Amino acid sequence: AIQMTQSPSSLSASVGDRVTITCRASQGIRNNLGWYQQKPGKAPKLLIYAASTLQSGVPSRFSGSGSGTDFTLTISSLQPEDFATYYCLQDYNYPWTFGQGTTVEMK
Amino acid sequence: EVQLVESGGGLVQPGRSLRLSCAASGFTFDDYAMHWVRQAPGKGLEWVSGISWNGGIIGYADSVKGRFTISRDNPKNSISLHMKSLRVEDTALYYCVKLGVWGSPSQGYHYGMDVWGQGTTVTVSS
Repeated sequence: AIQMTQSPSSLSASVGDRVTITCRASQGIRNNLGWYQQKPGKAPKLLIYAASTLQSGVPSRFSGSGSGTDFTLTISSLQPEDFATYYCLQDYNYPWTFGQGTTVEMK
Repeated sequence: EVQLVESGGGLVQPGRSLRLSCAASGFTFDDYAMHWVRQAPGKGLEWVSGISWNGGIIGYADSVKGRFTISRDNPKNSISLHMKSLRVEDTALYYCVKLGVWGSPSQGYHYGMDVWGQGTTVTVSS
């Protein structure tokens, strides 16, 4: 199975900060990667698919990049509602695998 | 309104079986693949299983292969997850998920889990 290594596992940031989360695949997955946001007690929400395509309705401060094995989720200017846990998911081949998650906490 | 409603969770002893169901509404069900994702208490997300629009392509996580079976009933707009030989480590909130698809035959297709249910809780304990 493809392993997804996400880093950091947590970070502290302030409103307005630029935040970057990375995900590395154990083998090439082209651009078959999505990013998800989860808030406590809520179901996850799709932010980005195909590594860099913003899901409809998601604010443009979120962006994704990468291809092959290395991927990045960037929040250009952190907003109060962005404090949450973020996961990457490879959908290149079965079994699909999530990264272990990155919790963005308020500094 | 697009909606997924899971049911069937509960408390079960190790080694026993349980069947989860997911009722879909608000979209053309048989156009989309469907998946199950779980989350153990205080832990991250774990992909469990997926089934294509017609049931022809199915995948399972290594942790559940041979014990869980996914199926779908397109006329009834539903999917199921039959779980047998349950283990304590199967304790989790189980989400039913719709797989969105974007693209074209010429440019290729891309996928994302765009609709999630609220989940049903499975607790495996003696």
